[in-house]
Amino acid sequence: QVQLVQSGAEVKKPGASVKVSCKASGYTFSVYYIHWVRQAPGQGLECLGWIRTANGDTDYTPKFQGRVTLTRDTSINTVYMELSRLTSDDTAMYYCVRENWFYDFWGQGTLVTVSS
Amino acid sequence: DIVMTQSPDSLAVSLGERATINCKTSQSVLSSSNNGNSLAWYQKKPGQPPKVLIYWASTRGSGVPDRFSGSGSGTDFTLTISSLQAEDVAVYYCQQYYRSRTFGQGTKVEIK
Repeated sequence: QVQLVQSGAEVKKPGASVKVSCKASGYTFSVYYIHWVRQAPGQGLECLGWIRTANGDTDYTPKFQGRVTLTRDTSINTVYMELSRLTSDDTAMYYCVRENWFYDFWGQGTLVTVSS
Repeated sequence: DIVMTQSPDSLAVSLGERATINCKTSQSVLSSSNNGNSLAWYQKKPGQPPKVLIYWASTRGSGVPDRFSGSGSGTDFTLTISSLQAEDVAVYYCQQYYRSRTFGQGTKVEIK
């Protein structure tokens, strides 16, 4: 069965960076793009960007351009999301999702808390 | 960017009654290549990731009960829960995937 398993919760100080992993299983990794979506407390769903797992091409939502970096390691079917220059506004649950036009499978989420 | 506007922001419905959520897109999401509307609906419960209910505007996701249905075309779409159950209490989001990906602001569904 398709699974996306994310790394555990993180607590970071303002100005720091965070790197979250997402390990895929149960399907051919390189066939599907992986997107990242976040939800801040009490807020809606927001897309950060995507990575084409076949060749590493990326595209980022303008709001996060310059602060977010998506990479992948095809040897272990894992995608990474790194967000830099963190502020309290980045406190949120971060999800990796498999894109099949729409989002058909979601990771369990990784809570990132930014606090001094 | 394609802007998604859902209405209402919240609604309270009695058990067994119908719940209707609307979603309007700022431009058409009807694809000429496959004649499909690039519109999905997700259900979000606390402590769980979102789950796709409907895609291509009207196709139910795997295992989704048939009380959930989607309709609409172009810029106006509707999610209908025909007979609300207690387990349907959640926030519902529409999403367009015609150009990039954007979500509506969400609609909270509660029991009256």
